[in-house]
Amino acid sequence: NAGVTQTPKFQVLKTGQSMTLQCAQDMNHNSMYWYRQDPGMGLRLIYYSASEGTTDKGEVPNGYNVSRLNKREFSLRLESAAPSQTSVYFCASSEEGFVKKLFFGSGTQLSVL
Amino acid sequence: DAKTTQPTSMDCAEGRAANLPCNHSTISGNEYVYWYRQIHSQGPQYIIHGLKNNETNEMASLIITEDRKSSTLILPHATLRDTAVYYCIVRVANNNAGNMLTFGGGTRLMVKP
Repeated sequence: NAGVTQTPKFQVLKTGQSMTLQCAQDMNHNSMYWYRQDPGMGLRLIYYSASEGTTDKGEVPNGYNVSRLNKREFSLRLESAAPSQTSVYFCASSEEGFVKKLFFGSGTQLSVL
Repeated sequence: DAKTTQPTSMDCAEGRAANLPCNHSTISGNEYVYWYRQIHSQGPQYIIHGLKNNETNEMASLIITEDRKSSTLILPHATLRDTAVYYCIVRVANNNAGNMLTFGGGTRLMVKP
């Protein structure tokens, strides 16, 4: 099993450009998440999806949109990138249940100039 | 949600046990204690979780005090590959995808030869 796969690993954008970060998991998990991590900081939740067809805002959703394409895939879109969105983005998935055991991807390092 | 307090950084000699403390004095009865770690540039990795009893798995042991106000993660024989940021997270137990884990500052563990 590959677990959680994110693409691309690195990306440089100019202010105002748009892009989509892709995430896929092969563990048949219902829940998927997008976090961002700024240098030297903890992770902050952007959006999450409890199941296929549903999405909800997390702690820092402004400037982002998401799509839960199917059970496997959960994408994050920046419509008009800003320098404040320079960060490392992590996708995660988890099983249903009381215990939150998250499985994370390896991250996308995004720089917005 | 209970707040956690961890030391900012710790050192440990290779081969020795690493004991990482976490204070969660406001924890409530239905909150789990989770430990994750993040090795440089990678996504966080689940280590262990517990409610009341001490727990052990192939990675670590979790010791929770009887009053549940603090816990200690023990890496029995630390290796250089255990150098990472360790997050202690307390979260209520429910089957709600929006009940997301919050990753704060964590403890930066440096294992030295």
